[in-house]
Amino acid sequence: ETGVTQSPTHLIKTRGQQVTLRCSSQSGHNTVSWYQQALGQGPQFIFQYYREEENGRGNFPPRFSGLQFPNYSSELNVNALELDDSALYLCASSGGLPRAEAFFGQGTRLTVV
Amino acid sequence: GQQVMQIPQYQHVQEGEDFTTYCNSSTTLSNIQWYKQRPGGHPVFLIQLVKSGEVKKQKRLTFQFGEAKKNSSLHITATQTTDVGTYFCAGRTGNQFYFGTGTSLTVIP
Repeated sequence: ETGVTQSPTHLIKTRGQQVTLRCSSQSGHNTVSWYQQALGQGPQFIFQYYREEENGRGNFPPRFSGLQFPNYSSELNVNALELDDSALYLCASSGGLPRAEAFFGQGTRLTVV
Repeated sequence: GQQVMQIPQYQHVQEGEDFTTYCNSSTTLSNIQWYKQRPGGHPVFLIQLVKSGEVKKQKRLTFQFGEAKKNSSLHITATQTTDVGTYFCAGRTGNQFYFGTGTSLTVIP
């Protein structure tokens, strides 16, 4: 167990809807990163939050947004869902140091129909 | 744009044979991490390399970071069935993280 928990584990949404995914980081970790992993692909970096501020973003449109709370838990919000958004969404927490390893949660499997 | 490629995409080996996966970045990386992901699971951190030319070993696993900090490799000696999974490299540039395309390892008993 990594101490990183994500909810829900599975979710089915309709195209055009909005979704919120949640992540509780490991105790003592102030950095959370979100990734999208399509089937058979490597994780794609969405963005990273450090002490409640976004401090890095991958090549994802603005309808992907996030939040980090004072307790360092985090949310990923996706608006106007598209079929291609179907994927495993992973969050990873780390201690915030440039060289810190990341601990991944089990992920949320999102299916958009 | 930034890309991190891995080869091979798939590798089938007989148990006891060696295995190597290679990771190449289009740009210089500040560090590189390696992860293992079992089918249906999440990536699990294996190691991080930071210095140019760095070599680290973990039992049967040997990790290398290239002199130019653009490539890396993972070598497994005498594979076991427990080594099955997909191995990903993940390179860091600034605050961006780029995962490689992964190498799926199958070990035949």
